[in-house]
Amino acid sequence: EVQLVESGGGLVQPGGSLRLSCAASGFTFSDHWMSWVRQAPGKGLEWVANINLDGNEKYYVDSVKGRFTISRDNAKNSLYLQMNSLRAEDTAMYYCARDDWGPDCWGQGTLVTVSS
Amino acid sequence: DVVLTQSPLSLPVTLGQPASISCRSSQSLVNSNGNTYLKWFQQRPGQSPRRLIYRVSNRDSGVPDRFSGSGSGTNFTLTISRVEAEDVGVYYCMQGSHFPPWTFGQGTKVEIK
Repeated sequence: EVQLVESGGGLVQPGGSLRLSCAASGFTFSDHWMSWVRQAPGKGLEWVANINLDGNEKYYVDSVKGRFTISRDNAKNSLYLQMNSLRAEDTAMYYCARDDWGPDCWGQGTLVTVSS
Repeated sequence: DVVLTQSPLSLPVTLGQPASISCRSSQSLVNSNGNTYLKWFQQRPGQSPRRLIYRVSNRDSGVPDRFSGSGSGTNFTLTISRVEAEDVGVYYCMQGSHFPPWTFGQGTKVEIK
């Protein structure tokens, strides 16, 4: 069974940083692109970033370019999202997802709240 | 970026009755490889999204056969043949044909009358 377990969310002040992690199991992690998708409270889904199999190809939504960095460690079956210069509008549930021409399997999410 | 427009945004339905959700794209979703990467997701209250349909009309494992997807080009539809109580939630279409970025529709909230 595919499992994706996110961690690392929490309350952070504007301008602060946070690192999200996603532990994957139940499939061959190194065979799949991976994504982060977020959902602001009461809002819809927004793709944030994704990364290719070996981590040397990365894409971001315009609103996070230069502030967020996606990475992966295939030896640890883990995906990461380093978030810097956080803004109030980054407040959301962040989901880790396996990619197959877009997300297919999703984790349960980790909540990031940016507030003073 | 590809814009997906769903309608309606709110859909009150009677148990046992059919329901349909439309998803229209700002451009054709036929990829250069000839495939159309249009997916449908269900998000029940308090849960993470779950994929129901991929490549327009292919149902995921474990998805009841009352769910079906159809369409082509820029117009797509998710149909629930007979709505059950467990179908309450928000449904999203998503395109993977033109990247980056992946884009989602605004979501359609299905509720029981």
